[in-house]
Amino acid sequence: QSALTQPASVSGSPGQSITISCTGTSSDVGGYNSVSWYQQHPGKAPKLMIYDVSKWPSGVSNRFSGSKSGNTASLTISGLQAEDEADYYCSSYTSSGFVFGTGTKVTVL
Amino acid sequence: EVQLLESGGGLVQPGGSLRLSCVVSGFTFSSYAMSWVRQAPGKGLEWVSAISGSGVGTYYADSVRGRFTISRDNSKNTLYLQMNSLRAEDTAVYYCAKRLLTGTTGRAFDYWGQGTLVTVSS
Repeated sequence: QSALTQPASVSGSPGQSITISCTGTSSDVGGYNSVSWYQQHPGKAPKLMIYDVSKWPSGVSNRFSGSKSGNTASLTISGLQAEDEADYYCSSYTSSGFVFGTGTKVTVL
Repeated sequence: EVQLLESGGGLVQPGGSLRLSCVVSGFTFSSYAMSWVRQAPGKGLEWVSAISGSGVGTYYADSVRGRFTISRDNSKNTLYLQMNSLRAEDTAVYYCAKRLLTGTTGRAFDYWGQGTLVTVSS
């Protein structure tokens, strides 16, 4: 159950688009269409942003979008806004439970 | 409104035990699998354990298997995590989280509690 690999940090200017990658294996990301993404602001609980690779939970902006190719999933944030500055975690279902990514700090310049 | 409220965290010595509770409201508790997820200070999220809606199926991360036990009381809308043989590396904020959907879709966590801090130190 090794953590999924994410870049430590990604930055962008307001209005720009950024993409966060999440690399796993055929036992997790590549094996299931069950990748989810979470946003976490400091001192707060995580918030679900994307589930089942590319689906939006109720109330989440469509500026956030997800995709997957092979063992790598991606989260794209379009029209970057100041409030998007946070930590982002991917997660995948596995045969033995779940595994989270290492986390990516998004900075809005 | 869905609410999850954890309790039971605190300071415990290495080798000690602690039981966390998570009281939920706003949804049919017995219909949903639940998980515990932890976050060490300044670190990332780590899935700890999950339990099916009925309580029959339980699942654990390798790091806690054999030391932690997840359970639930559907009559009390409460999720538990019994933690034994605690180690310094178990120090973290522990969140309870509700699974979004049942079956093979919605394998994600749509509601989270506010977390309870467990500190393992002498």
